[in-house]
Amino acid sequence: RKEVEQDPGPFNVPEGATVAFNCTYSNSASQSFFWYRQDCRKEPKLLMSVYSSGNEDGRFTAQLNRASQYISLLIRDSKLSDSATYLCVGQRGGGYQKVTFGIGTKLQVIP
Amino acid sequence: DTGVSQNPRHKITKRGQNVTFRCDPISEHNRLYWYRQTLGQGPEFLTYFQNEAQLEKSRLLSDRFSAERPKGSFSTLEIQRTEQGDSAMYLCASSLDVQGDQPQHFGDGTRLSIL
Repeated sequence: RKEVEQDPGPFNVPEGATVAFNCTYSNSASQSFFWYRQDCRKEPKLLMSVYSSGNEDGRFTAQLNRASQYISLLIRDSKLSDSATYLCVGQRGGGYQKVTFGIGTKLQVIP
Repeated sequence: DTGVSQNPRHKITKRGQNVTFRCDPISEHNRLYWYRQTLGQGPEFLTYFQNEAQLEKSRLLSDRFSAERPKGSFSTLEIQRTEQGDSAMYLCASSLDVQGDQPQHFGDGTRLSIL
């Protein structure tokens, strides 16, 4: 079983729709979680950190459920520019901070 | 631009040749990571430096791969006797070594194509 699992999609949604992605992790040693966005043939860019209390950044809401070991990302009012691959990342704490990426979920927002 | 810088952006070479990539992290970041990414996959961890010390290496990093960070600033990743399976995007990331878990910031990557 992969340490971080995501549905690769693609998720095809109309402009203005709300879309949610989930990601599960298997290693309880993972302490910090992030969502990265990656455009085609570009580097991953940090989208947002994920906190247990849930956090929001404009149209984006991230949530962490440690009991069930999953992370979610909600995008409201989807824009064409949201089309990208969204990577779920688990990071262990301590001196090394090992990072494990999911395979990424591809989102295509359609006009 | 004070982000992570990688060069070259693209490298095309024949099988069997040696290649070297360079990464310049964000200046105050003392943690540096190398990843490899192939199409349809997330980045896979290769190795990690804290300052000049290489603290972790993945099993993916065969003996043909070597990485250095001699002065704790820029890093190089060398692949010897390249094989077609080495074709991938090689990503470098850096982060701060402070209390609390810090996200990593990525460079543009070096795309390697082996003919």
